[in-house]
Amino acid sequence: DAGITQSPRHKVTETGTPVTLRCHQTENHRYMYWYRQDPGHGLRLIHYSYGVKDTDKGEVSDGYSVSRSKTEDFLLTLESATSSQTSVYFCAISESMASSSYNEQFFGPGTRLTVL
Amino acid sequence: GENVEQHPSTLSVQEGDSAVIKCTYSDSASNYFPWYKQELGKGPQLIIDIRSNVGEKKDQRIAVTLNKTAKHFSLHITETQPEDSAVYFCAELEGGSYIPTFGRGTSLIVHP
Repeated sequence: DAGITQSPRHKVTETGTPVTLRCHQTENHRYMYWYRQDPGHGLRLIHYSYGVKDTDKGEVSDGYSVSRSKTEDFLLTLESATSSQTSVYFCAISESMASSSYNEQFFGPGTRLTVL
Repeated sequence: GENVEQHPSTLSVQEGDSAVIKCTYSDSASNYFPWYKQELGKGPQLIIDIRSNVGEKKDQRIAVTLNKTAKHFSLHITETQPEDSAVYFCAELEGGSYIPTFGRGTSLIVHP
């Protein structure tokens, strides 16, 4: 298994509180991603990173922010959690080998977040 | 990628039967098509992929076919076993891209 860990694995919080999820990799891969998974919606990209301090928005970025100060860590922050952010969050990594190559994504084990 | 439609959303088969999941895409620049399997409580994991210069690829009981003209690709699982029960996701990317577009997933249930 690719060396990806997520913490915490489970969290219950209340509406309005800040929450930070952490993704840590030991593969030295360049690209990191945060997805949320909800029934009927599959995997939706929240934010991604293409290098240290280089991040961009995905399709469902509202209400989320990210930071990447080191290659190995990618943090996802919910500034003020809402019930609609109750979901399972997955981190993924990939590495581009060449401009014309293809990128397999390796996923972490997920974090189940419940916002009451 | 732009959009990927995946069908069916749920597929129930008897052990030993074959299962087929189909995805259609709209971006003519797409040329890499991976399939991921997600077991309960785990993250998705790549099981097979195909590039646009190939029409079919097999790996033991699983195979993927690609029809670029019709813009669809399919996952075929033969001689299904209970451990094949999982959610399967298709995806597509343009060459050099690192942002895949995923289908919404198919929940495959294999009954013993």
